[in-house]
Amino acid sequence: VQLVQSGGGLVKPGGSLRLSCEASGFTFSSYSMTWVRQAPGKGLEWVSSISGSGSHISYSDSVKGRFTIARDNPKKSLFLHVNSLRGDDTAVYYCARGGTGGAVGRNNWFDSWGQGTLVTVSS
Amino acid sequence: DIQMTQSPSSLSASVGDRVTITCRASESIGFYLNWYQQKPGKAPNLLIYTASTLHSGVPSRFSGSGSETDFTLNISSLQPEDFATYSCQQSYSIPFTFGGGTKVEIK
Repeated sequence: VQLVQSGGGLVKPGGSLRLSCEASGFTFSSYSMTWVRQAPGKGLEWVSSISGSGSHISYSDSVKGRFTIARDNPKKSLFLHVNSLRGDDTAVYYCARGGTGGAVGRNNWFDSWGQGTLVTVSS
Repeated sequence: DIQMTQSPSSLSASVGDRVTITCRASESIGFYLNWYQQKPGKAPNLLIYTASTLHSGVPSRFSGSGSETDFTLNISSLQPEDFATYSCQQSYSIPFTFGGGTKVEIK
C-alpha cells in the first residue's frame, strides 16, 4: 500500500490549490479515503472523507463550503480542492486510507497515510 | 461534536518504563477508538483500532483498553524507537475527532 501526495505550496489568502494523492497496492475503490491536516506544532484535525464510490462525502465545519473532496477511481487518485484559503488553513495535509467496504463509517481508522504536503497561506 | 481529551499532554520516561496514556471522549463512543504514533516530520502510523486490536506489524508491547468514554494506551516496556507523539481518534461519528496528542520524551 502506498499513497503519494503532490500539490501544496505557498498561496495568498483567498487563493486556491489542488492537492492530489495517488494510491497503489490496493483496490482503491473498495476503501473510503480521508484528508487530515496538522497545523504547525498542533494536533491532527480531520478535514474530509469520501466513500469508495464517491457517493458519500463529509466535511469538517471549518472547511465546509471552501474545500471539495473528490476521487477518480480508475486513476486511483484522491483530490482536495482548497479554495478561499485563510491563514488558519496553513498546515501539513495528509491523505489517509479509511475502512474497508468503502463506507465513511465507524470502521474509519486510518491504516495508511501519504507523506504529507505543506500548504502555507500567507501574503 | 465529540471532544477527545488526552492526558497527559507530555511525559518523560526512561527506556524500559511502563507508560500509560489516557483518552476520554465527551460522550460514549463504544469501542470506536483508535491510536496513532507520530514521529517528527512524519505521517502518523496506526497502532491500535477499535480500542484494543493491534494493527498488523505493531509490537506486542503496545496495548489498548477501554470502552464508552475512557480509554488507555499502554506501552509495557518503552523502547528507544517509541519516543514520539501519540494521538487518539474516535471513529464513532463524524466529525472524526482526534485528541490533542501526548508527547513521550526521554527522561
